[in-house]
Amino acid sequence: KQEVTQIPAALSVPEGENLVLNCSFTDSAIYNLQWFRQDPGKGLTSLLLIQSSQREQTSGRLNASLDKSSGRSTLYIAASQPGDSATYLCAVAASNDYKLSFGAGTTVTVRA
Amino acid sequence: DVKVTQSSRYLVKRTGEKVFLECVQDMDHENMFWYRQDPGLGLRLIYFSYDVKMKEKGDIPEGYSVSREKKERFSLILESASTNQTSMYLCASSLFAGAYNEQFFGPGTRLTVL
Repeated sequence: KQEVTQIPAALSVPEGENLVLNCSFTDSAIYNLQWFRQDPGKGLTSLLLIQSSQREQTSGRLNASLDKSSGRSTLYIAASQPGDSATYLCAVAASNDYKLSFGAGTTVTVRA
Repeated sequence: DVKVTQSSRYLVKRTGEKVFLECVQDMDHENMFWYRQDPGLGLRLIYFSYDVKMKEKGDIPEGYSVSREKKERFSLILESASTNQTSMYLCASSLFAGAYNEQFFGPGTRLTVL
């Protein structure tokens, strides 16, 4: 069974600092990996999707890398802003079914 | 933009009531999903559907059923609500049947069962 871990569970940084969020998974036979943002009491917003054949994906200040062989993905957020405060979840799709396995998330606070 | 909507943001029901949660997507997606999210347990898949009238159990289907009569609509049914079904319920959809694609989520329904 795929296990997805996100460390740390919470992170607090001053505005302007770069954020580094980690995601690890136990089974490297994945189809793709998706990063989401969740604001308190709200649904999930898709940030980036990395296919298993890709090494990284970028969108604006966000960059996500994928190292399938070591079972790791990292989400980088450059020059953090208070509006980046949210919980960030990673989810892995297995190669042989529809299911996403989610990590528990990292809650980020960016201090003004 | 993909839009996934859920019928209620907040819902309060009594134990034993039959509860319907509705989800609608407007992008002709094949796959639709129902998750619940609980503190400390993360998101868990309840049911998913890969076509009209087709459904498969997820990881925690007990106490739930689903209905997909039209492609754009996926309903989650709690036949007899219980207090341990108090949770945040999230619906999602993705494009292709037979292959995984990016999942898009609705805003969630916070259900409280008293």
